This record gives sequence, structure tokens and C-alpha cells, in this order.
Amino acid sequence: QVQLQESGPGLVKPSQTLSLTCTVSGGSISSGYWSWIRQHPGKGLEWIGYIYYSGSTYYSPSLKSRVTISVDTSKNQFSLKLSSLTAADTAVYYCASSRHGYNFDYWGQGTLVNVSS
Amino acid sequence: QSALTQPPSASGSPGQSVTISCTGTSSDVGGYNYVSWYQQHPGKAPKLMIYEVNKRPSGVPDRFSGSKSGNTASLTVSGLQAEDEADYYCSSYAGSNNLLFGGGTKLTVL
Repeated sequence: QVQLQESGPGLVKPSQTLSLTCTVSGGSISSGYWSWIRQHPGKGLEWIGYIYYSGSTYYSPSLKSRVTISVDTSKNQFSLKLSSLTAADTAVYYCASSRHGYNFDYWGQGTLVNVSS
Repeated sequence: QSALTQPPSASGSPGQSVTISCTGTSSDVGGYNYVSWYQQHPGKAPKLMIYEVNKRPSGVPDRFSGSKSGNTASLTVSGLQAEDEADYYCSSYAGSNNLLFGGGTKLTVL
């Protein structure tokens, strides 16, 4: 079974860029879609975007201008960069896998990111 | 695009059935058979319970079922058990490689 683990800073300053990495184990990143999803405190889920293993990227229209997702197949990892941070970006960030791009099969445990000076 | 619409809460007694709705538009829920449902217990990551409207991943009890009519999808939990108490989220493909989530429904087992 595929397992995913997010890593990155728990605290980032406003206006800076958030960088998170998701490490995949128990399976190869060289197939399917690899997503980032966030959840604001006490709120619902928000899809950020995903990357196809070949490198094609697809982003939520509402975040597209600030998001970059990349993949490193040699390390079995994919990454998220979110720029121009504000307090509204404070959330738990999850990485997830998707075989066909229509649902999220497996999820990481999530990592809380707090945007504060 | 707006999030899909779910009732904020639902409840039922042990052994009963409860249905949670997820309403979208013809551009998302109504346009594709790519609705999925996720269960999230407090402090935990979401877990896929239903995909492609009515398919269950391996290991998900058959007490969980999904359906769709027009622009509204539904998740039914039959034979409610205490461990079913959780938040439930729907998701739908919305075309052009875009995915939407519902606002979530808190299911309480009375």
C-alpha cells in the first residue's frame, strides 16, 4: 500500500514562499497523479492542484497564480511551492495520490503550516 | 467555481441508515460520474470511502454506498455504528483537470 509523508516548515512569515515535500513509499511515483490539498482550521478541504508523473501540472483556478508543483521521480517525491503567503494560507496541508486524477486514493497524515510574523 | 453543497450535519441512531447529499451543477456532479466521498475522523487524514459515484475501495464496509441523480450525489451509511461518527466530504471532477470538494457534513451517531 502506498504511503505518503509531508515534510516542511511549520511556521512561515507573510509574503514568503511555502515549500513542502511529499515522500512516497510502498509504490512508485512514476504513474498516476500526485496532489496537494489543504484544510483551513476547522474548515473543509480545498484542492490545490496535482502533477501527473510525467510532469504535467494542473492547478485550482483560485490558487493558480501562486502555486507550483513539481516531481522528482529519482527521489520518489513531489513538492509544493505556494508564494506570497498571507494568514489565510494557514492550514493543514495534505499530499495525496490518485491513479486516474478523479479521486484521492491515499493521503499523507498532513502537516500544519502557520503563516505568522 | 463554488464548492459543492453539503448539509452541515446529519445524525442517526445505531443500526439506522443516514443519507448525506452533495449538490453541484451540470458542470461537475451532473456532468461526470467522478464523484467520491471521504471520511475524516478528528485529527486524522481523510479516507476514501466511495469513488466513481458508487464504487467501494477494498476494505470499505458494504454499509457505505453511493448514488447520483442529476446534479446531486448521495452517500448512504446503513446499519450505523459508533465508529461511523466523523466528517464526510464529497468531491467531484469539474472538467478541465479541476476538482471540487463539498463543505463537509458532520455525522453524529446518537
